[in-house]
Amino acid sequence: AQTVTQSQPEMSVQEAETVTLSCTYDTSENNYYLFWYKQPPSRQMILVIRQEAYKQQNATENRFSVNFQKAAKSFSLKISDSQLGDTAMYFCAFMPYLYNQGGKLIFGQGTELSVKP
Amino acid sequence: DVKVTQSSRYLVKRTGEKVFLECVQDMDHENMFWYRQDPGLGLRLIYFSYDVKMKEKGDIPEGYSVSREKKERFSLILESASTNQTSMYLCASSLVGTGDFQSFGPGTRLTVT
Repeated sequence: AQTVTQSQPEMSVQEAETVTLSCTYDTSENNYYLFWYKQPPSRQMILVIRQEAYKQQNATENRFSVNFQKAAKSFSLKISDSQLGDTAMYFCAFMPYLYNQGGKLIFGQGTELSVKP
Repeated sequence: DVKVTQSSRYLVKRTGEKVFLECVQDMDHENMFWYRQDPGLGLRLIYFSYDVKMKEKGDIPEGYSVSREKKERFSLILESASTNQTSMYLCASSLVGTGDFQSFGPGTRLTVT
């Protein structure tokens, strides 16, 4: 069975600093996708960043970047220049490549990030 | 942008009641999903549907059923609500292509008393 583990239930960071959220996963598949989602307090879940497993280059989206280590099955999220609006629950998610799986996501437990002024 | 809406943000029901949670998406997505979110457990998939009238069980389907009569609407049904179904319920949708990310609704916080 595929699993996703986020070992940091809570983290905090000072505004303007950098923080890294950890995620590991377990799968026997070679092709898959990985995602980081953000859920601000009382607000909708939104996609932060996506990584295709067949791409060696780490994905980046403005202040957000990932460190994808396929052999180690690790997918960490780095947030640079943290802002108060980054305060949220962050979920790591895994998607099998199989077309007939209909895009199923397997989520980690979440990491609650607080950005302090 | 895809808009996914859910019928209620907050819902309070009594044990044994039949509960309907409705989800509507406006971008012609083939796939739709229902999750429940609990602290420390993340999101767990209840059911999903990749076409009208099609449904597949997720990881925790017990006590739930679903209905998809139209492409844009996916309903989650609690046949007889129990207190252990108190949770946040999230609906999501996506295109059928592999790797397409899911867009989420705002969630329904259901309390069963």
